[in-house]
Amino acid sequence: DADVTQTPRNRITKTGKRIMLECSQTKGHDRMYWYRQDPGLGLRLIYYSFDVKDINKGEISDGYSVSRQAQAKFSLSLESAIPNQTALYFCATSEVEGGTGELFFGEGSRLTVL
Amino acid sequence: GDSVTQMEGPVTLSEEAFLTINCTYTATGYPSLFWYVQYPGEGLQLLLKATKADDKGSNKGFEATYRKETTSFHLEKGSVQVSDSAVYFCALSGTSGTYKYIFGTGTRLKVLA
Repeated sequence: DADVTQTPRNRITKTGKRIMLECSQTKGHDRMYWYRQDPGLGLRLIYYSFDVKDINKGEISDGYSVSRQAQAKFSLSLESAIPNQTALYFCATSEVEGGTGELFFGEGSRLTVL
Repeated sequence: GDSVTQMEGPVTLSEEAFLTINCTYTATGYPSLFWYVQYPGEGLQLLLKATKADDKGSNKGFEATYRKETTSFHLEKGSVQVSDSAVYFCALSGTSGTYKYIFGTGTRLKVLA
């Protein structure tokens, strides 16, 4: 089983619908992240959380919200999806302080907004 | 602010060819540098890293050296295989006092048999 699991892996929805992407991890890491991947733009940080009580906006948080339900779970919500939120979304975790730690990624959730 | 610039792809090589993917960075502090690889249909996984100047990261035949004087971290492999076909991302972290990554835009490598 994967250490970082994302559900759903693929989702097609319509404009205006509420969507939740879920992430769970078995690595025991405190730090969790949501990234968005678009062709030619690389990965951009949406939100990150350093522990259950700590939630921080990333560079592209508008239109998104998150919930850290437990150390192991970090959900990303799109309250009212729009077509330019069509992208591949990745959850990641990390452990080490000081910027030298590795990010561990889930397999991604591909979202299409029609 | 901090940034990472890597060569655009796609890069197409024949099997056993030499690979270089260029990566340069801009950072105010002393970042750690990383190469991640994304195989088709998968998430990113760490390929190699270097945490200080002149360090060389290596893994699976890939190498990259942290060059502070040229602010570069170029990825190299002496002989690529078809199985190396993937997207490669250069990244930095650790310059702002918080644990935040900056990724490059990715370089797609296609290796032909």
